[in-house]
Amino acid sequence: NAGVTQTPKFQVLKTGQSMTLQCAQDMNHEYMSWYRQDPGMGLRLIHYSVGAGITDQGEVPNGYNVSRSTTEDFPLRLLSAAPSQTSVYFCASSYTGASTDTQYFGPGTRLTVL
Amino acid sequence: LAKTTQPISMDSYEGQEVNITCSHNNIATNDYITWYQQFPSQGPRFIIQGYKTKVTNEVASLFIPADRKSSTLSLPRVSLSDTAVYYCLVGPTHYGGSQGNLIFGKGTKLSVKP
Repeated sequence: NAGVTQTPKFQVLKTGQSMTLQCAQDMNHEYMSWYRQDPGMGLRLIHYSVGAGITDQGEVPNGYNVSRSTTEDFPLRLLSAAPSQTSVYFCASSYTGASTDTQYFGPGTRLTVL
Repeated sequence: LAKTTQPISMDSYEGQEVNITCSHNNIATNDYITWYQQFPSQGPRFIIQGYKTKVTNEVASLFIPADRKSSTLSLPRVSLSDTAVYYCLVGPTHYGGSQGNLIFGKGTKLSVKP
């Protein structure tokens, strides 16, 4: 049982490049989400999904796309990277997405956009 | 989810008891209070959850007064390894309300000094 895994751990992009941050969980959780964390800003919710085929926007969705084709995977896509997207990205999952469900977080991806 | 307010930062010394208070004036009847801990360079992890009165586990205690408009996370005899950001979340169970859109906010940065 690996829990929540994220790849890559580190990534450097140039402005305008695209990439996909991968997130996978093996706990059969219905709910998955993406957060970004910037110094002094805490965790900000980007997108979330309550099940395969269902996604919704969080606090800061602009510049990011998501899809959920399987229960296990929830990739985050940056179509045209900007320096403002330099951040640490965390993926999380839980059974239902209720605040009372324990959220399990991945180790994070540190992204730098030059 | 109910809006929460926490201090931005707190300082303490090793061996002291630390109390972090979270205000949630508009908490609803079916809302629970959940706390997470985030160590540097890691994703947050669940530490404690409660509805009313007092909850204690091997990591912390959670005190909730009768009006439930605030809650206090208590860490007994902190050590340097308790240096982390602590987040307070307030929201319903899966059966009590909406799911998803979990907002963590900025949390409280606790610095423990020797």
